[in-house]
Amino acid sequence: SQELEQSPQSLIVQEGKNLTINCTSSKTLYGLYWYKQKYGEGLIFLMMLQKGGEEKSHEKITAKLDEKKQQSSLHITASQPSHAGIYLCGADMAGNKLVFGAGTILRVKS
Amino acid sequence: ETGVTQSPTHLIKTRGQQVTLRCSSQSGHNTVSWYQQALGQGPQFIFQYYREEENGRGNFPPRFSGLQFPNYSSELNVNALELDDSALYLCASSLRASGANVLTFGAGSRLTVL
Repeated sequence: SQELEQSPQSLIVQEGKNLTINCTSSKTLYGLYWYKQKYGEGLIFLMMLQKGGEEKSHEKITAKLDEKKQQSSLHITASQPSHAGIYLCGADMAGNKLVFGAGTILRVKS
Repeated sequence: ETGVTQSPTHLIKTRGQQVTLRCSSQSGHNTVSWYQQALGQGPQFIFQYYREEENGRGNFPPRFSGLQFPNYSSELNVNALELDDSALYLCASSLRASGANVLTFGAGSRLTVL
């Protein structure tokens, strides 16, 4: 079973609109990672968060980790077709493994 | 620097057969992790290799095995293939000493078991 819950499972937005994807864990997150995946391809690293309250931005994508370190959000401002893909959150777990959520499928309509 | 490369990109096998998937790590990385991604799901951790030894394993049976070579490249072997083994197999490399588990992924090997 997935230890990370992502929501929504999928969303379709009009180009230019903002959107938020959430990632929730029942356990404290000591390392939270966001990746993007094009269908059937490998994952591309976006950002890593480690400290409670931390926020990072890259271009039009901002990721935050809440103070309790159990929830992270990924916000995209003024979405573009190039943002379309599958967004996955991952977290460090015991046993040297990075555990992923089920992913959020994003489609951007032109 | 070269990224992570995987081979083959696609392959088809039948139940009961064996398969070997190969992965070349990104230059400078010393750790390799393997993931299985079924359609519509997130990647599931199979195992990780560091210094040529298994260094963490997910909930996969022993018929999933691996190797890491001195040049940090790696192989994933799956014996007695089952239909449910059909998936995208992802290899990822990282630098153990970096203090963070930032993985660099290959494009994957898509396995179909008939």
